[in-house]
Amino acid sequence: ETGVTQTPRHLVMGMTNKKSLKCEQHLGHNAMYWYKQSAKKPLELMFVYSLEERVENNSVPSRFSPECPNSSHLFLHLHTLQPEDSALYLCASSQAPSGRGETQYFGPGTRLLVL
Amino acid sequence: QKEVEQNSGPLSVPEGAIASLNCTYSDRGSQSFFWYRQYSGKSPELIMSIYSNGDKEDGRFTAQLNKASQYVSLLIRDSQPSDSATYLCAVTSGSARQLTFGSGTQLTVLP
Repeated sequence: ETGVTQTPRHLVMGMTNKKSLKCEQHLGHNAMYWYKQSAKKPLELMFVYSLEERVENNSVPSRFSPECPNSSHLFLHLHTLQPEDSALYLCASSQAPSGRGETQYFGPGTRLLVL
Repeated sequence: QKEVEQNSGPLSVPEGAIASLNCTYSDRGSQSFFWYRQYSGKSPELIMSIYSNGDKEDGRFTAQLNKASQYVSLLIRDSQPSDSATYLCAVTSGSARQLTFGSGTQLTVLP
């Protein structure tokens, strides 16, 4: 598979479950991102990992925990989620640095439903 | 709070017409601007990027940037039904890596 892949594509979990989302990029990029897309709301940047920085959106609850073991893989660990966390979770990657905003390439997303 | 504003639509245009999508942003320090297209149930894909004032053309798509007015637009010429999608405006804020997205404009091209 090429580009940015995400697994699973769909996930249903209870509020007491622990699960992880996985993202892998095959583009040789060195920056990766997690976004949340809820209905009728803008894409929301959750986390950025790159050689130069790790950025966390301060509004992201601690029940979301990212892990980036290397430049090709990114995980989002989920625990004790709430129903309002149901959304499409998108992973993206880009090649840094350029001094400008690099083009970000998105994976297909994981559709998460929290019951 | 850095914001990116788009008309949510829906915007409907007949096939063959020009579709005009608009976006304003609040951060005067923004340097890079992107238009993404998102089909229903799919992830965003890049249409255009623009960094300098003026127009940038790529096939049927033209992006226009006016930093003084904090305004960026996307024109789609000869619109096709396959162009029906939600178009997302994105602007760098803070570091070059942090994109702020608008809510998107839903475009429908009527056959």
